[in-house]
Amino acid sequence: KNEVEQSPQNLTAQEGEFITINCSYSVGISALHWLQQHPGGGIVSLFMLSSGKKKHGRLIATINIQEKHSSLHITASHPRDSAVYICAVSGSNYKLTFGKGTLLTVNP
Amino acid sequence: GAGVSQSPRYKVTKRGQDVALRCDPISGHVSLYWYRQALGQGPEFLTYFNYEAQQDKSGLPNDRFSAERPEGSISTLTIQRTEQRDSAMYRCASSPMGPRGDEQFFGPGTRLTVL
Repeated sequence: KNEVEQSPQNLTAQEGEFITINCSYSVGISALHWLQQHPGGGIVSLFMLSSGKKKHGRLIATINIQEKHSSLHITASHPRDSAVYICAVSGSNYKLTFGKGTLLTVNP
Repeated sequence: GAGVSQSPRYKVTKRGQDVALRCDPISGHVSLYWYRQALGQGPEFLTYFNYEAQQDKSGLPNDRFSAERPEGSISTLTIQRTEQRDSAMYRCASSPMGPRGDEQFFGPGTRLTVL
């Protein structure tokens, strides 16, 4: 079993829909990261959080430490949101352990 | 400012050849990480530097892989006697401070293809 599990693996939505991507982890962590991988391959850090909730524009990330679970929400989705979204965790050391990613496709 | 850069962006080589992949982190960033990403998978940790010191190389698959960061800035990942299974995207990331969950800034990656 992977230490970081994401669901769903693939997600197709219509423009304007509210989207949720889930991440569960099985190890103790110091922080959880949400990353976006563009179709061209570049990776961008969206959020790093260790508790509670963060919001940036239409993106919201939440984490429940007790349940070892995090969600990434996208409100009013747009085709330009189409990308792979990756959850990663870091523990007491520096290493990031990554999930396999969720491929999001938003259709116009 | 400039982000993390990597070169070459694409490398095609024949099995048995050595390759050197370069990472130029964001100026002033202390920590530098190398990851490998197979198609359809998330990245996997290879090695980590704090300044010029290689703090952890536990993710390097075998002794054909090595990395250095001699002056605490640019880093080179070297793969000797390449094999087809080495084909992957090799990513570098840097972060401004020490470890423990700092945000990491990723480079564009080097796509390595071993024929």
